[in-house]
Amino acid sequence: SAVISQKPSRDICQRGTSLTIQCQVDSQVTMMFWYRQQPGQSLTLIATANQGSEATYESGFVIDKFPISRPNLTFSTLTVSNMSPEDSSIYLCSVAGTDNQPQHFGDGTRLSIL
Amino acid sequence: AQSVTQLGSHVSVSEGALVLLRCNYSSSVPPYLFWYVQYPNQGLQLLLKYTSAATLVKGINGFEAEFKKSETSFHLTKPSAHMSDAAEYFCAVSDMGAQKLVFGQGTRLTINP
Repeated sequence: SAVISQKPSRDICQRGTSLTIQCQVDSQVTMMFWYRQQPGQSLTLIATANQGSEATYESGFVIDKFPISRPNLTFSTLTVSNMSPEDSSIYLCSVAGTDNQPQHFGDGTRLSIL
Repeated sequence: AQSVTQLGSHVSVSEGALVLLRCNYSSSVPPYLFWYVQYPNQGLQLLLKYTSAATLVKGINGFEAEFKKSETSFHLTKPSAHMSDAAEYFCAVSDMGAQKLVFGQGTRLTINP
């Protein structure tokens, strides 16, 4: 399966600031996704990152808060904007080679907001 | 809309004992079903997947799961638990292949020596 690298692995940020998380894959993939895992909770899909077009957001998530880029088939970024303590979570990138293959996950970015 | 229910947020078994983690799903179409494991400070690792082939699916690390349509279940089992199996386990469903996974709440597995 693809090797997925997420950066940073963790960060502590001040409220009101923004952080951009990077997801790099070692091979071209069709599907890229961003998930949020709040403390002690399960994973919730934020959006599907579409190459060359705007991301598709799930209910409850908006582009102004979580802008996503996907300039090519191996790279995507998620920005968490104007952060508040409620944004403290693990943010995970996942990829699938095609839409019939299972998703594989990066190690996540552990984000704490003070 | 799909949904997943994992029965038991915490399961504790003795080393060498049978592991059984329960997952029930709801889907309006034949589902794709997955089990993932999350070790501390790591992302999710795919254990196994069901995609309408054999109903008994074998995965990594000695785990397997059986798809039972009549019971809408996809329970995860392992005959003999190892200490290294201690982790969080997530069941997930999709009605569109790899797209739009819906996860259960997770089950934390503890192994007692």
